Amino acid sequence: DAGVIQSPRHEVTEMGQEVTLRCKPISGHNSLFWYRQTMMRGLELLIYFNNNVPIDDSGMPEDRFSAKMPNASFSTLKIQPSEPRDSAVYFCASSVRQGDNQPQHFGDGTRLSIL
Amino acid sequence: EDQVTQSPEALRLQEGESSSLNCSYTVSGLRGLFWYRQDPGKGPEFLFTLYSAGEEKEKERLKATLTKKESFLHITAPKPEDSATYLCAVQAGGYQKVTFGTGTKLQVIP
Repeated sequence: DAGVIQSPRHEVTEMGQEVTLRCKPISGHNSLFWYRQTMMRGLELLIYFNNNVPIDDSGMPEDRFSAKMPNASFSTLKIQPSEPRDSAVYFCASSVRQGDNQPQHFGDGTRLSIL
Repeated sequence: EDQVTQSPEALRLQEGESSSLNCSYTVSGLRGLFWYRQDPGKGPEFLFTLYSAGEEKEKERLKATLTKKESFLHITAPKPEDSATYLCAVQAGGYQKVTFGTGTKLQVIP
């Protein structure tokens, strides 16, 4: 079965540019999560969706960050304008609705470098 | 606020040398504790879910246990392919939000 698919795998861009990260969750999963991972802070939850609806975006660091989920098979995380401190690995994860404490399944991430 | 602390930060073992990784947590109303393995350049890979104190789960050379304050990941006779970062995460209360620890980086030397 296909796992969570993220694109691009690597992104290098200059400060001030718009960055869009993409995620395709596992088919049949109705919860989707965006994380950021750095050496200093580990894995931090940015936002999560249930049935395409944003539930908790309290982890989104600033208004420069936005996320959408237009349908059950696609989500985007956008940074505009980007800054060097946004450099990190961004992960997308999906799960079935966690009423039964189902584990999250992760993609292989997007390594983002802002110059 | 939920807190998860993992120790040690790094562990180096000889092949065949058994050991344990620790995950201490402070949450209000634990609903589940998760263990993941993360290889370099990859996303975390799910290993186990534990729900209540006293529960144990096993997979190959790994065994996870849970008490009311901590979880252990026991590694029996590890092999070099067990080298990875092991992450612990907790879900608490009525929320789907999961809080991760910063991980233990395990290196197994042949």
